[in-house]
Amino acid sequence: AQTVTQSQPEMSVQEAETVTLSCTYDTSENNYYLFWYKQPPSRQMILVIRQEAYKQQNATENRFSVNFQKAAKSFSLKISDSQLGDTAMYFCAFMKTWDNYGQNFVFGPGTRLSVLP
Amino acid sequence: DVKVTQSSRYLVKRTGEKVFLECVQDMDHENMFWYRQDPGLGLRLIYFSYDVKMKEKGDIPEGYSVSREKKERFSLILESASTNQTSMYLCASSFPIAGGSADTQYFGPGTRLTVL
Repeated sequence: AQTVTQSQPEMSVQEAETVTLSCTYDTSENNYYLFWYKQPPSRQMILVIRQEAYKQQNATENRFSVNFQKAAKSFSLKISDSQLGDTAMYFCAFMKTWDNYGQNFVFGPGTRLSVLP
Repeated sequence: DVKVTQSSRYLVKRTGEKVFLECVQDMDHENMFWYRQDPGLGLRLIYFSYDVKMKEKGDIPEGYSVSREKKERFSLILESASTNQTSMYLCASSFPIAGGSADTQYFGPGTRLTVL
């Protein structure tokens, strides 16, 4: 079974600075997807970024980028130029490829990020 | 944009009541999911459905049932609510990529259920 670990329950960062959220996972699969989801306070959870394990290039989405280390089973999220709107709970998630219905989507426990003015 | 809506943002029920949580998606997604979110535990899958009238148990199905009579609607039912079912409930949907691999899940806003 796959597991996802986020070792930082809470983090804070000053506005405009850079912060990195950690995620490690355990799997015997070779092909899989990794995701970072963001859940702002009292708001809908949305996808931040997605990485396919067979791609060596790290995914980026504007100010969000990942550092994917397949051998180390590490998938950290870097937020550059942090904004107040980045304050949220961030979940790392894993899904193996050919998971027919997505029923084996595995989430980490989450990291609560606070961006301070 | 994908839109997933849930019938209530906040709900307060009493022990023993039957509770219905409804979820509707507007993107013609085959797959729909119900998760429970608790602090420090992340999201745990209760049930999922991959087609109308088709359902499968997730990791924590005990005390819950589901119904999917129409493709866009997926209901979670607590037959007899208990205090340990106080939690945030999230619905999600996804569209299976051709070839059988499901990808990104899209979430509703959540229902915070309190059972007294």
